[in-house]
Formats: sequence, structure tokens, C-alpha cells
Amino acid sequence: GENVEQHPSTLSVQEGDSAVIKCTYSDSASNYFPWYKQELGKGPQLIIDIRSNVGEKKDQRIAVTLNKTAKHFSLHITETQPEDSAVYFCAAGGVRYGGSQGNLIFGKGTKLSVKP
Amino acid sequence: DVKVTQSSRYLVKRTGEKVFLECVQDMDHENMFWYRQDPGLGLRLIYFSYDVKMKEKGDIPEGYSVSREKKERFSLILESASTNQTSMYLCASVTGGNTEAFFGQGTRLTVV
Repeated sequence: GENVEQHPSTLSVQEGDSAVIKCTYSDSASNYFPWYKQELGKGPQLIIDIRSNVGEKKDQRIAVTLNKTAKHFSLHITETQPEDSAVYFCAAGGVRYGGSQGNLIFGKGTKLSVKP
Repeated sequence: DVKVTQSSRYLVKRTGEKVFLECVQDMDHENMFWYRQDPGLGLRLIYFSYDVKMKEKGDIPEGYSVSREKKERFSLILESASTNQTSMYLCASVTGGNTEAFFGQGTRLTVV
């Protein structure tokens, strides 16, 4: 089955710096790669996603890149702000698993701290 | 707005008790999931369901069962709670295909 590795597990940056989180996946049939942000006391929320027919996607300060050949994808946050502090999860999905094509396999998460 | 609601934010149960965690979604999604979240281990899939009365095991189903009698409701059952099931439990729902998963706020379960 699919396996997703995420690095680093913790990341501390100064406000205004960039932050990069990287993930690799094992199943070449995966074709959907979302990123989730989890703030303290809340469930994860989608912040950006990318599909396998696209190499890069950007939404304001957040961008995601995908390298299908190498089977890795990355989250880039520019001009970080204290409110970006949270746990970020990558996931890979799209592979039919039983009767469902909605299953997602998550990485172990990255705790991002942005220091003012 | 899509809403996924978990019945409890915090639960404390005794070892050996039967525990029910309830999850309701209001968007007519086909797929629903139960994850367990532990520090350093991320989100691990316990069970999922892609239709009413359909269920499939995830990566860590031991000690758990599920029920999906209605499309909007997916219940996680701990048949006989043990201390190693102390964790944060997250429910999610997804419409068919590769789209956004919506999560509930989580239930922090402590088994004493």
C-alpha cells in the first residue's frame, strides 16, 4: 500500500522567512496530493492541493510543487507569519482502495513554529 | 459550509468499557473515515466506509469496530477500551473521488 514520509518533524523559522516541508510517496498510482494545516484544538483543514497533471500550484504565500518522477512533493510558505504556526500534514490519495477512491494516506506531520 | 460534527470533544472512560464515538456530516458525502492521531505518529486510518453498511479496515483496526447505518453518520466503537487507546480521534468525510477531506474537531479520549 501507499506510504508517505514527511520531513522535517519540527521546523522553527523567524517571521518573514520561508518554510519548506517535503514529502515522498511510494505508490506511483497516487494522483492527488493535499496539504492540511491543524491548529491547536482543531481538526486539520485543507490549505492547498495538487493533482498529478500539474507540477506547481500557488495560492498567495503558499505553493506546492510535485515531482512525479521522483515521487516527492513540497509545501513552500513565504513571508511566514506567527499565525502560520501549526502542524502541517501532507497526504497522498487517489488510489482505489477497496470500494473507495477517497482514501488518503497522511505523513506524520511537521510542527511549524514562526517566531516574531 | 460543510460540517463534520463529532459528538464529544473530551471523553474519559474506564478500562473495559464499551465506547461509542459518533460522527455526523451534512454534505451527503459517500466516504467517511476514522483516524487516530498520536504525537510523532501522525494520522493513522482505523476504518473507513464508502457507502451505507459498507466498511473496510484501515491500517490499525484492532480493538475497534464501526457502524454506518445512515449515510450521514459513522460511528467508531471501542468494544473493550484499553489504556493504549487513549488518543485523539478524528472523523473525516469526502465526496467520491479525489477531493477535499473535511475533518471534525476531534475527540480526545482518555482511558483510565
